[in-house]
Amino acid sequence: EPEVTQTPSHQVTQMGQEVILRCVPISNHLYFYWYRQILGQKVEFLVSFYNNEISEKSEIFDDQFSVERPDGSNFTLKIRSTKLEDSAMYFCAVRPTGRNQPQHFGDGTRLSIL
Amino acid sequence: GESVGLHLPTLSVQEGDNSIINCAYSNSASDYFIWYKQESGKGPQFIIDIRSNMDKRQGQRVTVLLNKTVKHLSLQIAATQPGDSAVYFCAERPGAGSYQLTFGKGTKLSVIP
Repeated sequence: EPEVTQTPSHQVTQMGQEVILRCVPISNHLYFYWYRQILGQKVEFLVSFYNNEISEKSEIFDDQFSVERPDGSNFTLKIRSTKLEDSAMYFCAVRPTGRNQPQHFGDGTRLSIL
Repeated sequence: GESVGLHLPTLSVQEGDNSIINCAYSNSASDYFIWYKQESGKGPQFIIDIRSNMDKRQGQRVTVLLNKTVKHLSLQIAATQPGDSAVYFCAERPGAGSYQLTFGKGTKLSVIP
């Protein structure tokens, strides 16, 4: 059973539209992550989030992307103006407190840009 | 091992045999490593982890070996079962206060009943 629930499971959007992907942790986690996986390729880090701030971000996470935790529960990834190359699986992950704790992933949202 | 382009290396084993999946990691400063299993349509599922100050760690039916000299990680699965069929990824944490994970390209394990 994943420690996070991601919605929607599949999102189809026209290029240029905004999308919001949601992640709800099962228990009270403090450390959140977004990764993406383009079809057939490896999982890539996007961003980490702790205490309502971005801790780290990759080169992929440009100005088109943003994250927030608006209500203390949901953790969201927003892509403002989607491009064809944004088509991928997007995974949310959480990590328990403690330095050497693994990240636990949700089952992802498949984003398809038309 | 590492994959090229979209083609994952594949390991086929008979049910009941032991499996060994290998991974070459890139950063000699990485301080923590994780093996994940990914089944079709699902997210990466944690299997086992190991810190860089260890060279071996055992779990239930799984063992991870770390060789820092050659930057090599392996996952051994004992008595492989059909339910073990999946893509397996190694992931490394770069250390120096960073918690982002860098994933390898994955190995597809197929178990022959």
